Amino acid sequence: QVQLVESGGGVVQPGRSLRLSCAASGFTFSSSGMHWVRQAPGKGLEWVAGIWYDESNEYYADSVKGRFTISRDNSRNTVYLQMNSLRVEDTAVYYCAKDIYTSSSGWFDFWGQGTLVTVSS
Amino acid sequence: DIQLTQSPSTLSASVGDRVTITCRASESISYWLAWYQQKPGKAPKVLINQASRLQSGVPSRFSGSGSGTEFTLTISSLQPDDFATYYCQLYNNYPVTFGQGTKLEIK
Repeated sequence: QVQLVESGGGVVQPGRSLRLSCAASGFTFSSSGMHWVRQAPGKGLEWVAGIWYDESNEYYADSVKGRFTISRDNSRNTVYLQMNSLRVEDTAVYYCAKDIYTSSSGWFDFWGQGTLVTVSS
Repeated sequence: DIQLTQSPSTLSASVGDRVTITCRASESISYWLAWYQQKPGKAPKVLINQASRLQSGVPSRFSGSGSGTEFTLTISSLQPDDFATYYCQLYNNYPVTFGQGTKLEIK
């Protein structure tokens, strides 16, 4: 069955960096677009970034553009989110999600359980 | 950027009720809309794609309709398991956008 397992969350000071990982199994990872979506405590869902199956295209929300980078390693069935210059407002549960298409232009049919990132001094 | 506005933000209903949640787009998005259900502490689960297609495994009491700028999610007969928060999502567009959510509460 499809599994997405996020890791790498934790408590970090403002201005510092953190890298999240999402290990995928149960489907052909190299044929699927992937996304990161976050949810601040008590708030709604916010899409963060998406990447095509072959890394040929990446897309970002304006709120993270220039600070976050999405990448993937198809040999390791893993997608990453490098988060630099973290701000208090980046505090959220971060979910990785699988796109139904090879690009990152479809809906999300599977989600991980999420990893909590807390940005605080 | 295209905005999605859901209404109502909160909905109180009883088991067996028929309920409808609306999602309005700030401009036409054809049928590039999905609906998700999220329960506390859990990841979202897709219910409807392409505005009206029921995702595999989702009970038939859920249905979606609409195109262009106005969309609805209807639950025909509420079950105890349906009390959750529902989100609409615009895809096939960047940025991907979610509505602000509708919390469905037990009356």
